[in-house]
Amino acid sequence: RKEVEQDPGPFNVPEGATVAFNCTYSNSASQSFFWYRQDCRKEPKLLMSVYSSGNEDGRFTAQLNRASQYISLLIRDSKLSDSATYLCVVSITTGFQKLVFGTGTRLLVSP
Amino acid sequence: EAGVTQFPSHSVIEKGQTVTLRCDPISGHDNLYWYRRVMGKEIKFLLHFVKESKQDESGMPNNRFLAERTGGTYSTLKVQPAELEDSGVYFCASSRLSRQQYFGPGTRLTVT
Repeated sequence: RKEVEQDPGPFNVPEGATVAFNCTYSNSASQSFFWYRQDCRKEPKLLMSVYSSGNEDGRFTAQLNRASQYISLLIRDSKLSDSATYLCVVSITTGFQKLVFGTGTRLLVSP
Repeated sequence: EAGVTQFPSHSVIEKGQTVTLRCDPISGHDNLYWYRRVMGKEIKFLLHFVKESKQDESGMPNNRFLAERTGGTYSTLKVQPAELEDSGVYFCASSRLSRQQYFGPGTRLTVT
């Protein structure tokens, strides 16, 4: 079983749509949670950290459910530039050390 | 501020040969990490340096892989001898303390 499970997609949505990604993690000792974005053949870049209380950054909202070991990312008003692979990432430390990645969910936003 | 740089960007070698990958972290970042993505799989942690010391090398696949960070600046990852299953993208990341890791563009290694 993978430590971080994600639906690989692709998710095909039109511009302006709302789309949600989910992931589950297996290690209950996980302390830190993140969503990274990776464009084709590029490096991963931090999109946002995820907090237990939920957090929002513009059109992006992340939620964490520790009891269910479940993390979500909601993108509102999708833009063409949101097309990318979204990586769910956890760490068993309180910081960014030794990140554990999911395989990623691919999003394609079309005009 | 310059980002994390990696060299080479691509490397194609034959099975049994040796390859050395280099990573230059962001200036002032004491923490340096190596990760690898094998085709179709997730990005996986290889090891973590704090300055020149190996903090965690639990992800290193076997003793054909040797990472060094002499002087606590740039790091090298040597694969000797390379096997077909070593093909993938090798990412380096750096951070200040345990804060956000910034990734380099990766080295795409192909072993034929």
